[in-house]
Amino acid sequence: GENVEQHPSTLSVQEGDSAVIKCTYSDSASNYFPWYKQELGKGPQLIIDIRSNVGEKKDQRIAVTLNKTAKHFSLHITETQPEDSAVYFCAAGVKGAYNNNDMRFGAGTRLTVKP
Amino acid sequence: NAGVTQTPKFRVLKTGQSMTLLCAQDMNHEYMYWYRQDPGMGLRLIHYSVGEGTTAKGEVPDGYNVSRLKKQNFLLGLESAAPSQTSVYFCASSWTSGRARNEQFFGPGTRLTVL
Repeated sequence: GENVEQHPSTLSVQEGDSAVIKCTYSDSASNYFPWYKQELGKGPQLIIDIRSNVGEKKDQRIAVTLNKTAKHFSLHITETQPEDSAVYFCAAGVKGAYNNNDMRFGAGTRLTVKP
Repeated sequence: NAGVTQTPKFRVLKTGQSMTLLCAQDMNHEYMYWYRQDPGMGLRLIHYSVGEGTTAKGEVPDGYNVSRLKKQNFLLGLESAAPSQTSVYFCASSWTSGRARNEQFFGPGTRLTVL
């Protein structure tokens, strides 16, 4: 099955700086890579995702890059703001027809943005 | 539109007691999931369902049972609670994999402590 590793486990940046979170995955069949943000006391919420036929995707201040050959993908947050402080999870899986059980999550990165 | 709701929000059990966690969604999603979240381990899938009347095991199913009698509800049962089941439990739902985006919508979580 799929195995996802996420680094770092904690990340502290100054407001306005960039933050990068990296994930690696093991199953070359994985073709879907979402990123979730979890604020304190809430459930995770999807912030961006990327499919394996795309190398990079941007949405305002956040971007995700994917290197299928090396089996790693990264989340980039530019111009960080205090409200970006949260736990971020990467995930990898196969977007199949019926079986949605192949999604695996990373252990999470606690991002703190200092004002 | 409430999204995904979970009942209860908090619960303390004694070892050996049983309980049922209720998840409800009002988005007409086909897929529903139960995860547990433990420090340093991210989200791990317990059981999932691809439609009313169907359930399947996830990554860590032992000690749990589920039922999906109605499309909008997904119940997670602990027949004989153990301290190892102390965790935060999240329910999620999504459309079928036929959609372009495979976003999972998460509930607010249930914090369970087993003494």
